[in-house]
Amino acid sequence: DAKTTQPPSMDCAEGRAANLPCNHSTISGNEYVYWYRQIHSQGPQYIIHGLKNNETNEMASLIITEDRKSSTLILPHATLRDTAVYYCIVRTRIPSNSNSGYALNFGKGTSLLVTP
Amino acid sequence: GAVVSQHPSRVICKSGTSVKIECRSLDFQATTMFWYRQFPKQSLMLMATSNEGSKATYEQGVEKDKFLINHASLTLSTLTVTSAHPEDSSFYICSARDRGYMNTEAFFGQGTRLTVV
Repeated sequence: DAKTTQPPSMDCAEGRAANLPCNHSTISGNEYVYWYRQIHSQGPQYIIHGLKNNETNEMASLIITEDRKSSTLILPHATLRDTAVYYCIVRTRIPSNSNSGYALNFGKGTSLLVTP
Repeated sequence: GAVVSQHPSRVICKSGTSVKIECRSLDFQATTMFWYRQFPKQSLMLMATSNEGSKATYEQGVEKDKFLINHASLTLSTLTVTSAHPEDSSFYICSARDRGYMNTEAFFGQGTRLTVV
């Protein structure tokens, strides 16, 4: 799976948009971009994922550049509860005839601190 | 949404004893579950992949005889830390994917904090 690069930490004021960048310049055509976050002492929480197109759900938006070499996770109105470590992970598309393997491999992520 | 439940959430055990951690997918079937370990201020490290009805696949450097994995059904995988030592103290997290939706998200348990004294 392609390697990802994220800034180690970021700050964001409460109520403002948090834009978390991720570089995945070696991504290949069949690799998805996933975003998870981990609040202290909890298991990771799924946020969003995408292949080529931008995606939006109730939690966040994912903007993937046209060349797919980087992406940005946007939390439109950050709250104090969004303080967490955010992980950008690239993973190969699982073949339809496969039932095993393809774990998510976590890097160091970005520690986002939302301040009052 | 889909839920993965891990039990116990915290456990303290004496050095030399064994501890079993359960991971259940509550509303979906998972042919594959994953076990991770996380030390303080570090990221999650994959320990092993648990496959229903077959032997687990361990990552390099993870002792299979120390970390016993059993995936006896499509909704339950267990990790047993045998002869635990203080250096095994860590945050253990399991993950599972819905067998019918392999390219959607993987779900994670809430983690088990193991302290070996």
